[in-house]
Amino acid sequence: SQQGEEDPQALSIQEGENATMNCSYKTSINNLQWYRQNSGRGLVHLILIRSNEREKHSGRLRVTLDTSKKSSSLLITASRAADTASYFCATPPRGYSTLTFGKGTMLLVSP
Amino acid sequence: EAGVAQSPRYKIIEKRQSVAFWCNPISGHATLYWYQQILGQGPKLLIQFQNNGVVDDSQLPKDRFSAERLKGVDSTLKIQPAKLEDSAVYLCASSLGQGYTEAFFGQGTRLTVV
Repeated sequence: SQQGEEDPQALSIQEGENATMNCSYKTSINNLQWYRQNSGRGLVHLILIRSNEREKHSGRLRVTLDTSKKSSSLLITASRAADTASYFCATPPRGYSTLTFGKGTMLLVSP
Repeated sequence: EAGVAQSPRYKIIEKRQSVAFWCNPISGHATLYWYQQILGQGPKLLIQFQNNGVVDDSQLPKDRFSAERLKGVDSTLKIQPAKLEDSAVYLCASSLGQGYTEAFFGQGTRLTVV
């Protein structure tokens, strides 16, 4: 069954603006991972946050994790047209090794 | 470091025909995943291998799909016979560990069943 769900389904912003997308999950996790998929290509790993971490940064990316609410957010600051892609969260359930994905958030960044 | 290699990139077949996809994971990666991604949806896990053993194949339609991982390295995914609803991108990914570390994806094989 699907573990993680991204929200919103679609997001349209202007270059330079920040983009925030969220992920909710159902069961306890080992870690939470965010991936990006450009149109018609494979997924690319962006960032991994462990269940005992609350916030993590990587370049223009900021990820937060709230295990009490079973949710995570991905913030992309100063977005660029090249950030246009679909973003997915993956949440391996604690005790399991399966890496499953939600339906993703489709981000469109206009010049 | 070489990435995950998949072939072919594109395949068009008629329904009821058979097709096979090949994946070569990153060297040293014990875990290998096959995903099916239908247009507009997220990747759906079909099967997960740890070395050459199956960890999870609960969503693999076993009446028509089969997969194997040879000597814990390369893997093939076969569909026989194909249905129209099998049209999708088939993604292979590998990782060092079982869901505890990042997965690296290949470019995928786009299958069209007509």
